[in-house]
Amino acid sequence: GAVVSQHPSRVICKSGTSVKIECRSLDFQATTMFWYRQFPKQSLMLMATSNEGSKATYEQGVEKDKFLINHASLTLSTLTVTSAHPEDSSFYICSARTAGQRNTIYFGEGSWLTVV
Amino acid sequence: AQSVTQPDIHITVSEGASLELRCNYSYGATPYLFWYVQSPGQGLQLLLKYFSGDTLVQGIKGFEAEFKRSQSSFNLRKPSVHWSDAAEYFCAVGGDSGGGADGLTFGKGTHLIIQP
Repeated sequence: GAVVSQHPSRVICKSGTSVKIECRSLDFQATTMFWYRQFPKQSLMLMATSNEGSKATYEQGVEKDKFLINHASLTLSTLTVTSAHPEDSSFYICSARTAGQRNTIYFGEGSWLTVV
Repeated sequence: AQSVTQPDIHITVSEGASLELRCNYSYGATPYLFWYVQSPGQGLQLLLKYFSGDTLVQGIKGFEAEFKRSQSSFNLRKPSVHWSDAAEYFCAVGGDSGGGADGLTFGKGTHLIIQP
């Protein structure tokens, strides 16, 4: 099946710094990617939807200036957490779909972010 | 607004016994329904999905789910559980706003414990 890869799988950063998480579709063109956030032992919350070449659409309550999403190519979307704070520590998961299989969604393995 | 309710936070089942995990959804149109499984610290694995057609859906690892529109339910079942089934199970609902599958709304999850 199709593969979505996230990097890094785990990252620790200092408060106030920015950290970038990459989401790559390895064997298909991801026209749309989704970013989710999951707090420990909680559910996944959709943060934003990004279409290649367009600005991301953020869900209500998600700060677009804090969580910068770039989907510059059909195989890569990045999530940058700017001026990170300890409360940003979370599990971030991306998913992707392709135009050819519009109803099939593939999830990445997730990225653990710890802000100290 | 769409929502998913998984009424059982924890379920304990003996190995070899049958399993049913409940999921109720709220969605304004015909929903796309999914069940995912997540092991601790890991990403999501798709068990099965329903878009249309036969309301009884077969998935991987011996799981099945039945879509009941009248009850707004999509319960997950397995006739005989194995110790390796212990994990967190998430039900999710989504739709298609015209460009393909939208981002998903997840339930809060059900933690499955298998007793020897």
